[in-house]
Amino acid sequence: QQPVQSPQAVILREGEDAVINCSSSKALYSVHWYRQKHGEAPVFLMILLKGGEQKGHDKISASFNEKKQQSSLYLTASQLSYSGTYFCGTEIWEYSGAGSYQLTFGKGTKLSVIP
Amino acid sequence: NAGVTQTPKFQVLKTGQSMTLQCAQDMNHNSMYWYRQDPGMGLRLIYYSASEGTTDKGEVPNGYNVSRLNKREFSLRLESAAPSQTSVYFCAGRWSASAPGYGYTFGSGTRLTVV
Repeated sequence: QQPVQSPQAVILREGEDAVINCSSSKALYSVHWYRQKHGEAPVFLMILLKGGEQKGHDKISASFNEKKQQSSLYLTASQLSYSGTYFCGTEIWEYSGAGSYQLTFGKGTKLSVIP
Repeated sequence: NAGVTQTPKFQVLKTGQSMTLQCAQDMNHNSMYWYRQDPGMGLRLIYYSASEGTTDKGEVPNGYNVSRLNKREFSLRLESAAPSQTSVYFCAGRWSASAPGYGYTFGSGTRLTVV
């Protein structure tokens, strides 16, 4: 089942902060975050594992609330380069076949940073 | 450069034609995936190969077949293309589908139009 992302779109001025949320109805092993610029491939940002701590690099960080099966991506002091569509991916164990971890992506949040 | 390489980058097919999308990785990934991306839908899994010699259906497998030729290569075949298969196709790899905690590396995508 596809995770739900919110908001669908957000416009920021340079230097402003944003939060993107991702929620799932299933018990998760991890949450991934990716950024995709127009016409390009998605690029892995970070992963949050069950039982892990909040992660981040530069001014982008994320948290994972295991009890609520929710994750949030925090972008602080946004830069023009942060523009793009952000996808969360929620990971569960799939029992079909030999079993494997399966990632399901949300529909994305389009972030536009303007000067 | 290490990465995931997809060919071709663009393709136009007539309804009923067949074609194979190629994907190769040199990152020593055990698991490989094919996704399609349609506007507003996010990334949806078509097929995956958890390890060399295995393939399994994803969320939207109808109309497609796959072959895991060896550890490096994972191809996607459209036997009889339909306009509903117009999409952007991404191949991705990850270290292992049996261990969480690893991000996906995506190829640059194939933009397919079926007329």
